[in-house]
Amino acid sequence: RKEVEQDPGPFNVPEGATVAFNCTYSNSASQSFFWYRQDCRKEPKLLMSVYSSGNEDGRFTAQLNRASQYISLLIRDSKLSDSATYLCVVSYDNFNKFYFGSGTKLNVKP
Amino acid sequence: DVKVTQSSRYLVKRTGEKVFLECVQDMDHENMFWYRQDPGLGLRLIYFSYDVKMKEKGDIPEGYSVSREKKERFSLILESASTNQTSMYLCASEGGNQGGYTFGSGTRLTVV
Repeated sequence: RKEVEQDPGPFNVPEGATVAFNCTYSNSASQSFFWYRQDCRKEPKLLMSVYSSGNEDGRFTAQLNRASQYISLLIRDSKLSDSATYLCVVSYDNFNKFYFGSGTKLNVKP
Repeated sequence: DVKVTQSSRYLVKRTGEKVFLECVQDMDHENMFWYRQDPGLGLRLIYFSYDVKMKEKGDIPEGYSVSREKKERFSLILESASTNQTSMYLCASEGGNQGGYTFGSGTRLTVV
């Protein structure tokens, strides 16, 4: 079983739409959670950390549900520039090894 | 900002060649990682290092080795390149403060 599972998409949405991604993780001892964004042929870049209390950064909101072992990312008022692949990441050991989902592809259309 | 530099963006090597992929970070981070990324498989951890001269196998170490002689530099070595090692290789650095990884820009390796 994969450590982290994501719907690969693609999610095709119009500009201005609200879109949500979920990701599930298998290890209940997971301690750290992140969303990364990866543009085509580029390296992943940290979008936001995910805290137990949930956190918001502008149009982006991340939530953690430990009981059900999933994290979510909500994007409001989608922009064309939000088109990318979004990677869910969890970590649960002292070396901070990260386990990546395969990514969810988002296409925002005009 | 942390900068992680990978020496080559694109490489083409022949089967059986020994290949060195270099990675340098400039923020005195303890932890460094090598991943490969393949379509449908996501990022998979090859090796990581939490200190100079220390190395640990990741999930797919076969066919690879690493070297960390200095804190800022973490090298990935393909002892005898094979076509199934054609991939995007990503180096990452992390400071141990739960702040997430910073990645290099990646090396797209093709083995022919």
